[in-house]
Amino acid sequence: AQSVAQPEDQVNVAEGNPLTVKCTYSVSGNPYLFWYVQYPNRGLQFLLKYITGDNLVKGSYGFEAEFNKSQTSFHLKKPSALVSDSALYFCAVRDRDTNAGKSTFGDGTTLTVKP
Amino acid sequence: DTGVSQDPRHKITKRGQNVTFRCDPISEHNRLYWYRQTLGQGPEFLTYFQNEAQLEKSRLLSDRFSAERPKGSFSTLEIQRTEQGDSAMYLCASSWEDQRRGYTFGSGTRLTVV
Repeated sequence: AQSVAQPEDQVNVAEGNPLTVKCTYSVSGNPYLFWYVQYPNRGLQFLLKYITGDNLVKGSYGFEAEFNKSQTSFHLKKPSALVSDSALYFCAVRDRDTNAGKSTFGDGTTLTVKP
Repeated sequence: DTGVSQDPRHKITKRGQNVTFRCDPISEHNRLYWYRQTLGQGPEFLTYFQNEAQLEKSRLLSDRFSAERPKGSFSTLEIQRTEQGDSAMYLCASSWEDQRRGYTFGSGTRLTVV
């Protein structure tokens, strides 16, 4: 079984400040981890992924995420937030060892960046 | 390639009617997925295909739901005898097998059962 928890429904930050959106996961084997973003009235878009290797992965729009195996976390970060980053963010996990095709998503975190 | 296309964008149907949705994936992708999303929730897995083979179907999915992907190209999702609880956004996504770029999602079909 695989699952994802996004403990914060809402994250508010001021423009220019660093942001963190939290994600923890559970998977039987080793994980593939993903972040997606959903802007208002638009479909989900892939941001970044972790498969193996460097624990810090970089993605689109200046976002990065840090994989922490001991804490089973994959938090999304950005050094300096923009108002245009305001959106709904989803973390997802897939079990790499079973080659299962499906990803399991968290319930999302709404990020609001205020000017 | 224009991405993943879903049709229709919106569907309103009466309880008990059958509905069918279509998804056209990115042509280079060999995997196609169906998810369902309700307000305040993340996408919930329904089923996925590798080429034309349906490899997994959610245990949460009742027998009223069926999906096909003839010839490994477009896919259809049919819901028979719709119920109000079926009201949701139905999302289609496609990917390469190794998900090197994750999923590419379509814009979804919003189903309202009245």
